Amino acid sequence: EAGVTQSPTHLIKTRGQQATLRCSPISGHTSVYWYQQALGLGLQFLLWYDEGEERNRGNFPPRFSGRQFPNYSSELNVNALELEDSALYLCASSGTGVWGIYNEQFFGPGTRLTVL
Amino acid sequence: AQSVTQLDSQVPVFEEAPVELRCNYSSSVSVYLFWYVQYPNQGLQLLLKYLSGSTLVKSINGFEAEFNKSQTSFHLRKPSVHISDTAEYFCAVSDSNAGNMLTFGGGTRLMVKP
Repeated sequence: EAGVTQSPTHLIKTRGQQATLRCSPISGHTSVYWYQQALGLGLQFLLWYDEGEERNRGNFPPRFSGRQFPNYSSELNVNALELEDSALYLCASSGTGVWGIYNEQFFGPGTRLTVL
Repeated sequence: AQSVTQLDSQVPVFEEAPVELRCNYSSSVSVYLFWYVQYPNQGLQLLLKYLSGSTLVKSINGFEAEFNKSQTSFHLRKPSVHISDTAEYFCAVSDSNAGNMLTFGGGTRLMVKP
């Protein structure tokens, strides 16, 4: 069974541009999570999508946005890129996220975004 | 709000020596606790988890962690490390109020020397 896949592996952009990162969850999983792993800042929760809806959002500005498609794959968009957006962006998927019940998250290999 | 503190950013250790990676958390409700491992240029892999029941949890490759509610800790231990254990280790917490979101510690780089 295929795991969580992310594309592209690497992405190089310049300040002010937009970046689009993609994630395909494990078959049967309906929830997708995005995390940012920036140097010196650790892993921080960005966004959670479930059944096509945004369920929760971390402490990031509105220029970080995303969506989840009917096939449960997801896109993360980062507008007006800044140098500090350079990071590894990790996507994870799980079964339906229900408040009060934990479903294990499985992580993809990540997309490394470099902003010049 | 949840938070996780990993007290050591780097832990150097010789091969076959024991190791402990420390993790403390804060949360106002019942928690789920995790250790993830990240090998160079790879994503995160779940090493072990505590959801409920026995406070001592073990992985298939010899790691174990003990949930200590009174000390709000979830330290990771291995009695004898191998070179292949060299990686970054992340402690994470989720709670019943957080949906499925994970809050991670800053990570501990385990460096096993021959």
